[in-house]
Amino acid sequence: GDSVTQMEGPVTLSEEAFLTINCTYTATGYPSLFWYVQYPGEGLQLLLKATKADDKGSNKGFEATYRKETTSFHLEKGSVQVSDSAVYFCAPHQTGANNLFFGTGTRLTVIP
Amino acid sequence: EAGVAQSPRYKIIEKRQSVAFWCNPISGHATLYWYQQILGQGPKLLIQFQNNGVVDDSQLPKDRFSAERLKGVDSTLKIQPAKLEDSAVYLCASSSNGQPETQYFGPGTRLLVL
Repeated sequence: GDSVTQMEGPVTLSEEAFLTINCTYTATGYPSLFWYVQYPGEGLQLLLKATKADDKGSNKGFEATYRKETTSFHLEKGSVQVSDSAVYFCAPHQTGANNLFFGTGTRLTVIP
Repeated sequence: EAGVAQSPRYKIIEKRQSVAFWCNPISGHATLYWYQQILGQGPKLLIQFQNNGVVDDSQLPKDRFSAERLKGVDSTLKIQPAKLEDSAVYLCASSSNGQPETQYFGPGTRLLVL
């Protein structure tokens, strides 16, 4: 069945550091890929997405590229801010499937 | 535009008691989801409604969990009787067309079963 493996947290970085959160998936066919973010006390929000191989999703300075050959969708940001502290979830979605399949989440803490 | 509303935000009960959660989706959203998020895990879908019909409840523990969306708008999720392992955050989400890109989540109800 489908599965997703996320980099284990927690991750603690200093402000302006480079961020990478790894995500690999197994799925039949070619799913769409999503990153969601959950800020403290708030609901899950869609951060970015990519729907086909080599697509790059980007939002708020975050980027992730759909790598079909390595079945990966790693999240990156060149310079993190304290306000980026949150839990990040990788989520593949099979076309025609009813729901998203979420990874376990990676907690990021950015310190000044 | 108002977001997805959930209540209560927090609930503490003893095992074997009953509890109900309420969700008001974004106006006009036909699809409504309930997820369970256990601490340290990603959300897991419990049930999906399309208007007032169930699309997917394959992961809903039907011996103790029930959900309804009688008028195709608000929804309630009930647990009866609760077990310790039901301690989790229960997330409601809604979507205009059933696609992830349009899925908006509520803040969740945090349940602690003692």
